[in-house]
Formats: sequence, C-alpha cells, structure tokens
Amino acid sequence: ELKVEQNPLFLSMQEGKNYTIYCNYSTTSDRLYWYRQDPGKSLESLFVLLSNGAVKQEGRLMASLDTKARLSTLHITAAVHDLSATYFCAVVREAQKLVFGQGTRLTINP
Amino acid sequence: EAGVTQSPTHLIKTRGQQATLRCSPISGHTSVYWYQQALGLGLQFLLWYDEGEERNRGNFPPRFSGRQFPNYSSELNVNALELEDSALYLCASSAGTGAYEQYFGPGTRLTVT
Repeated sequence: ELKVEQNPLFLSMQEGKNYTIYCNYSTTSDRLYWYRQDPGKSLESLFVLLSNGAVKQEGRLMASLDTKARLSTLHITAAVHDLSATYFCAVVREAQKLVFGQGTRLTINP
Repeated sequence: EAGVTQSPTHLIKTRGQQATLRCSPISGHTSVYWYQQALGLGLQFLLWYDEGEERNRGNFPPRFSGRQFPNYSSELNVNALELEDSALYLCASSAGTGAYEQYFGPGTRLTVT
C-alpha cells in the first residue's frame, strides 16, 4: 500500500527565514503534487513534478523531486506571513488516485 | 473561465439520513474525482468518474456512491449517514484519463448530528 509521509507536521517560523518541508513516499510513482490549503478552503495547486530531478519554482517556493529516494522537498525562502497555510504533497497511485500526505501546517510569525 | 463548482456549501443532516452532494467540473473536463477530508483522517480518495463510468474507488463502504451525468457533472450520495461522515467533501476535475492535473472545487462541508 502506498504511504505518503510529510514532516514536519507543524512548523512555526519567523518571517525572513528559510525552511524545508519533506515528503517521502513508499512506492514508485511518476507524479508528485504540492497543494496549498487555507483554513476552511479548498486545495490550490502549487506544483506538479513529473520526472526525477524536476525542480519548479514560484515566488518564494521551490519544489524538487528525487524519484530514486522517493523524496520531494518544498523549500520556502525568506518566508512572509502570506505563506501561512497547510501544505500537502500527493502522489498518484493507480488510475488517477491521489494519495495525500498528512499535511504540514505552516505558521509564519512577523 | 469558471472553475469547479460544488453545492451546497454546507449541509447538515441527522444520523441515518441520506446526503446528496453535487459537483460541476470545469468546462471541457470529462473526469470528476471525489475526496473526503475528515478531521484526523486527512484527505482520502473516494471515487473517480470519467465519461459517465466509475473508474476507481477508494476504501469506503458501499453506502458511498455516486454517478456522472451526460454533461459530466456528478453527484455523491451518502446513505445511512454516520457521525464520522462529517467532513469536507472535495470534488476535482481533469481533462480526461490522460490529464495529470486535478483542479479542486471549494468543497461541501457535511455535518452529521
């Protein structure tokens, strides 16, 4: 059974600092997704990573994928308060089924 | 272009009743997915419909069912509601079986009392 694990699950950081969220998955997959969720809201797609070594960046967020290590990272650079949210990674299982990690609740303090 | 829409926004039901949730995909999308986000259980895949057919199903009991209409909109039905069915139900759509991006709707918050 495919398992997706994120760490940390909770992260409180100061504005201006850098940090990384890790996503490990247990079996091979050819796609990994990162989503953002604000409280009470739906999921907003951040990145889709399709191949080993893929790196994508948008603003202060950068995601990478190492399929051999079954690991993806979401790096936050010089965090700002607006990035406070819960971040999920998800991996495709058979037939378009997304398996999600537990989510990382990120709080950025001024 | 309109995104994925869901109705109702909130739904309050009593244990044992039935709930019907609705989803309209992005125009041109033929696949609809349903996910449950329950407190403490995270996001779990429920169902996938494409071109009117059920293509995949998560580990949920048969009282969770649905269908997809010719216009690609979808319904999720939950029969014999239990307290633990209280959750945010998210619908997503994609442009068919080969598409890799799923776009999520705002969700329906189901509360079972």
